[in-house]
Amino acid sequence: ETGVTQTPRHLVMGMTNKKSLKCEQHLGHNAMYWYKQSAKKPLELMFVYNFKEQTENNSVPSRFSPECPNSSHLFLHLHTLQPEDSALYLCASSQGTSGGKQYFGPGTRLTVT
Amino acid sequence: QQPVQSPQAVILREGEDAVINCSSSKALYSVHWYRQKHGEAPIFLMILLKGGEQKGHDKISASFNEKKQQSSLYLTASQLSYSGTYFCGTEISGGYNKLIFGAGTRLAVHP
Repeated sequence: ETGVTQTPRHLVMGMTNKKSLKCEQHLGHNAMYWYKQSAKKPLELMFVYNFKEQTENNSVPSRFSPECPNSSHLFLHLHTLQPEDSALYLCASSQGTSGGKQYFGPGTRLTVT
Repeated sequence: QQPVQSPQAVILREGEDAVINCSSSKALYSVHWYRQKHGEAPIFLMILLKGGEQKGHDKISASFNEKKQQSSLYLTASQLSYSGTYFCGTEISGGYNKLIFGAGTRLAVHP
């Protein structure tokens, strides 16, 4: 399944580093999402973009900064992260404005040291 | 707003049945069901939009009650491949693509 791709697949970064996660969808969808999945919590919605516009910020700390330059690409810029930010970050996409099947990418496993 | 899933975990022998429940305190716009295997991305199973709806494919089906506050996922004659964590995702209202997931139900099917 190559509909939604994410890079890198694994990332280790220090608390003072700046890095970016990239997501690309090849499905022609108009909505894209970032989710955080950690061992102690369920899938947490972070951001939603509909037609390149951010429509949801689920109280995410400002050290996470999303960017959606077009409907096919989504970035998550990371800076001054904390160890508790270590998690699997999943990108997803869907078609339509509601009730759409979401296709998930393989995720980026992030470790903050 | 997070939906409540139950049970938290289920252990089955091959061929046995299981039911996973997902409930909300508010009426929902839709319910989505996903399965995630360890180390893999969640995979879509089905979406329910209408109160009283039932749908399914193969031996996995789901229902959405009339009040649209509860959904159940039915796994019949389980197979080893059914093992994984099942999540329900809920939309409170349409138009925003905002899906909130439950804590998940871990299902293990043994020979």
